[in-house]
Amino acid sequence: DSGVTQTPKHLITATGQRVTLRCSPRSGDLSVYWYQQSLDQGLQFLIQYYNGEERAKGNILERFSAQQFPDLHSELNLSSLELGDSALYFCASTGGRRSNTQYFGPGTRLTVL
Amino acid sequence: QKEVEQDPGPLSVPEGAIVSLNCTYSNSAFQYFMWYRQYSRKGPELLMYTYSSGNKEDGRFTAQVDKSSKYISLFIRDSQPSDSATYLCAMSFTGGGNKLTFGTGTQLKVEL
Repeated sequence: DSGVTQTPKHLITATGQRVTLRCSPRSGDLSVYWYQQSLDQGLQFLIQYYNGEERAKGNILERFSAQQFPDLHSELNLSSLELGDSALYFCASTGGRRSNTQYFGPGTRLTVL
Repeated sequence: QKEVEQDPGPLSVPEGAIVSLNCTYSNSAFQYFMWYRQYSRKGPELLMYTYSSGNKEDGRFTAQVDKSSKYISLFIRDSQPSDSATYLCAMSFTGGGNKLTFGTGTQLKVEL
């Protein structure tokens, strides 16, 4: 158990809908990273937050957004969903002394029908 | 060309074999090198972390980094059926916000 929690485990929704994925980092970690894992693209970095502020962006679609709250949990919002958004979404946290090591949560499996 | 290349396998070995997994990369800025293990549909689990070139050993696992060749390896000794998983190499550098760039993963099966 990495100490990172994600909810829900599974989400099934329809095209055009909006969903919110939630992540709670390890206790004391200030940084949260979001990644998307699909069969054809592998694990891809989406966005990073550090102590409530956006720090880095990867290949994140404009339909996707995220935020980190004062209690350090983070939410990833996916809107106008398309079939191709079906994937595993992971968050990872870091912030300890070895801040380059990221610990991943169990992921949320999103299926868009 | 992808920044990080990794043979997807699958790689099948008998129990007790030494396994060698490799990645090559093109971005010389990478400083931090990691290996993650991912069981089917689970979150990646950090196995090894190495900074810059050199070797690191942890139990049955040894990670090697050769920055001059842009090549990293993970060796698993005395492989066990429980080692069957997908192994992902990952890299980052400070200037890149520490975001991880992953290889595609190598699927390993250790057979009895």
